[in-house]
Amino acid sequence: KAGVTQTPRYLIKTRGQQVTLSCSPISGHRSVSWYQQTPGQGLQFLFEYFSETQRNKGNFPGRFSGRQFSNSRSEMNVSTLELGDSALYLCASRDRGENKNIQYFGAGTRLSVL
Amino acid sequence: AQSVTQPDIHITVSEGASLELRCNYSYGATPYLFWYVQSPGQGLQLLLKYFSGDTLVQGIKGFEAEFKRSQSSFNLRKPSVHWSDAAEYFCAVASGASGGSYIPTFGRGTSLIVHP
Repeated sequence: KAGVTQTPRYLIKTRGQQVTLSCSPISGHRSVSWYQQTPGQGLQFLFEYFSETQRNKGNFPGRFSGRQFSNSRSEMNVSTLELGDSALYLCASRDRGENKNIQYFGAGTRLSVL
Repeated sequence: AQSVTQPDIHITVSEGASLELRCNYSYGATPYLFWYVQSPGQGLQLLLKYFSGDTLVQGIKGFEAEFKRSQSSFNLRKPSVHWSDAAEYFCAVASGASGGSYIPTFGRGTSLIVHP
């Protein structure tokens, strides 16, 4: 099976713009989570979607939003970008059943806000 | 709330030497524990996991970890380090309780530097 695919790999934006990141989970996985990784804060959970519904949410402002489509692909949107939003954004998908606790990660999207 | 502490920010070892990366967790019930590895510019790859049963778990790339409930620890070990093991290592804990969210909490990571 193909792994988790994130596009694009790199993005450069300026303050005030908005950005949309895309994630395609492993085939058959219906749960998709998003994480922000920065040197200062480490890996922080943004939100999780399952069957097109947000199931869990981390402690991020409303500028960060997401959605999931019927094919389980997910997008994450950040509006009104700030310099502090520069980070590696990681998407992870997980299966059901006995391996439901295992998150499989994509390579990430590196966002730079200038 | 669950939490993970990786006390060592950086670890430097010589190639061929043994390795132990420390991880302590805080969680009231039975935890699910993981070690992930991240190479520069890449996502996280699962090395091994502990859900239940044998407290010594084997993973990929010759790594193993031991769950010690009395010490709330889940340390990662490798008997002989290779230069390609240089990377960032993350310990994570998730809820093992019924109805848990399964969202893992990650430690801050330990950067492994391997000298030739």
